[in-house]
Amino acid sequence: DSGVTQTPKHLITATGQRVTLRCSPRSGDLSVYWYQQSLDQGLQFLIQYYNGEERAKGNILERFSAQQFPDLHSELNLSSLELGDSALYFCASSGAGTVTDTQYFGPGTRLTVL
Amino acid sequence: AQKITQTQPGMFVQEKEAVTLDCTYDTSDQSYGLFWYKQPSSGEMIFLIYQGSYDEQNATEGRYSLNFQKARKSANLVISASQLGDSAMYFCAMRELMDSNYQLIWGAGTKLIIKP
Repeated sequence: DSGVTQTPKHLITATGQRVTLRCSPRSGDLSVYWYQQSLDQGLQFLIQYYNGEERAKGNILERFSAQQFPDLHSELNLSSLELGDSALYFCASSGAGTVTDTQYFGPGTRLTVL
Repeated sequence: AQKITQTQPGMFVQEKEAVTLDCTYDTSDQSYGLFWYKQPSSGEMIFLIYQGSYDEQNATEGRYSLNFQKARKSANLVISASQLGDSAMYFCAMRELMDSNYQLIWGAGTKLIIKP
């Protein structure tokens, strides 16, 4: 158990809908990262937050947004969903985000868009 | 150019044999970190081992060791005495400074299957 929690574990929805994925980082971690992993693909970095502030942006679509709250949990909002958004979405957390920081991953949310 | 290259898309290994998963990286930074993660078929991403660019000793964690050859820019993962439970995807990743922030760059992964 990495200490990172994600809910829900599975999500099935229809095209055009909006969903919210939730992540709680490990105790003491200030950084939260979101990744997308499509079927049989590597990890695609979406966005990073550090202590409530956006720190880095990857290949995140404009239909997607995220935030980190004062209690450090984070939410990833996906809207106007398309079939291609079906994927495993991971949240990871780490400390200060230095070069030696290890990212610990949550169990992921498997999103299926029908 | 690929920053992290894992040249073995798939590997079959006999149980109890040692396994070496290859990873080469490309960076001009002096300070960087190298990581290996395991992703079993159940989907979770599990951190295995870390090697810092300034570490002189190869990292070890139980049956996992990292064969770090800085001049060759390689960071191969060695699994000793492989077990059936080692069957999984393995990802190599490098943390380096990009746009004033340390980013993790991922390889495409190697699918390891352990045969009984």
